[in-house]
Amino acid sequence: RKEVEQDPGPFNVPEGATVAFNCTYSNSASQSFFWYRQDCRKEPKLLMSVYSSGNEDGRFTAQLNRASQYISLLIRDSKLSDSATYLCVVNVGTYNTDKLIFGTGTRLQVFP
Amino acid sequence: NAGVTQTPKFQVLKTGQSMTLQCAQDMNHNSMYWYRQDPGMGLRLIYYSASEGTTDKGEVPNGYNVSRLNKREFSLRLESAAPSQTSVYFCASSEGGSRGRFSYEQYFGPGTRLTVT
Repeated sequence: RKEVEQDPGPFNVPEGATVAFNCTYSNSASQSFFWYRQDCRKEPKLLMSVYSSGNEDGRFTAQLNRASQYISLLIRDSKLSDSATYLCVVNVGTYNTDKLIFGTGTRLQVFP
Repeated sequence: NAGVTQTPKFQVLKTGQSMTLQCAQDMNHNSMYWYRQDPGMGLRLIYYSASEGTTDKGEVPNGYNVSRLNKREFSLRLESAAPSQTSVYFCASSEGGSRGRFSYEQYFGPGTRLTVT
């Protein structure tokens, strides 16, 4: 079983739609979680961290369910510029070392 | 600030050749990382350096060596390139350190696209 699993998509949605991605992770000791965004042939960039209580940043909402070991990302009012691959990332590092495990990504295509 | 820079951007090697990928960051970060990204595999950690003077193996270290030259620079060397090392290589850095919090954002360089024939 992969340490971090995501549906590769693609998710094709019209502008203005709401879309949700899920991700599951296998290491129950994981302490921190993130969503990164990667545009085609570019480097990954942090979209948002995922906190236990859930967190929101504008049109983006991230949720964490530790009991079921899954993370979700909800995008409301999709824009064309949201088209990208969204990487679910889990930190399995120790006290002072970050060791990120990346999912293979979920591709989103927003069309007019 | 340039952030994280990598050279070269593209490289083609023949099997058995060697080369060094260079990475530098100007954010005064403690930790640096080398990843490779292959289709369908996600990013995989090759080596990392939690702080200047230390390096450790990641998930896929075989066939690679690293040097943390100073706080700014972290290089990745392929001693004898193989076609299986054809990939996109990303360097990243983060604050890291021992401030009691180990989940810092990682900043990535633009990547090096390496083809081994």
